[in-house]
Amino acid sequence: AQSVTQPDIHITVSEGASLELRCNYSYGATPYLFWYVQSPGQGLQLLLKYFSGDTLVQGIKGFEAEFKRSQSSFNLRKPSVHWSDAAEYFCAVVTGTASKLTFGTGTRLQVTL
Amino acid sequence: SQTIHQWPATLVQPVGSPLSLECTVEGTSNPNLYWYRQAAGRGLQLLFYSVGIGQISSEVPQNLSASRPQDRQFILSSKKLLLSDSGFYLCALGRPNSPLHFGNGTRLTVT
Repeated sequence: AQSVTQPDIHITVSEGASLELRCNYSYGATPYLFWYVQSPGQGLQLLLKYFSGDTLVQGIKGFEAEFKRSQSSFNLRKPSVHWSDAAEYFCAVVTGTASKLTFGTGTRLQVTL
Repeated sequence: SQTIHQWPATLVQPVGSPLSLECTVEGTSNPNLYWYRQAAGRGLQLLFYSVGIGQISSEVPQNLSASRPQDRQFILSSKKLLLSDSGFYLCALGRPNSPLHFGNGTRLTVT
C-alpha cells in the first residue's frame, strides 16, 4: 500500500538558518507529491506540488522540494527560515482513485530567534 | 475561486450526543469532497470521500457517517459521540490530478 514517512517529528532551527524536512514515499508508479503547511488551529495550505517534469519544484513562501526517484524522497527545503515559518508541515501523495491523499504524520517546525 | 466553508469552528459535545458538521463549497461544480480527521499528535486520516451526490466511500470503520445531499454540500454525522471522536475535522475538495484544497476545520471536543 502507498505510504508516506516523515521521520522527523519535531525540528528546531534558528531564524536565518537553512531548513530541510524529510519525506519518503512508497508508491509503485510515478507519484503525485505535495507539501502542505498548517498553522495552529488552521486548515492546510498547499506549499508546492510535483506531478511530472522538472524534479526541483518551487513553491510559495520561498520553499522548494526535490523529487528523487532513486531515493523515493521528496524533501522540502528553504535557504533561510523566518520566524513566521514555525508551523507543522505535511508531505502527501495521491493514492488510488478519486485523488485521495495519504499524508505523513507531519513535522513540527520551531524557529528560535 | 474555490471556497470551502466549514462550521462551526469549534464544538464541545458530551459523550453520547449526536453530531452534524457541515461543509459547503463555492466556485466549483461536481468536485470530489473529503472528510479528514486530525487527532492530537497524529497525522491526517481520511474518513470519507465523495465523487458525487449520494456517493460516499468510507475509508475506516468508525462511529461516524457522511452524506452528500447536494453537489456542494458534504455532511459528517454521528448518532452518539465517543470520547475518541475528539479531533480536528477538515473538509477538502479536489479534482483529478490537482491538489486538495482544505477548509479551516472544526475542532471537536467530546467531554
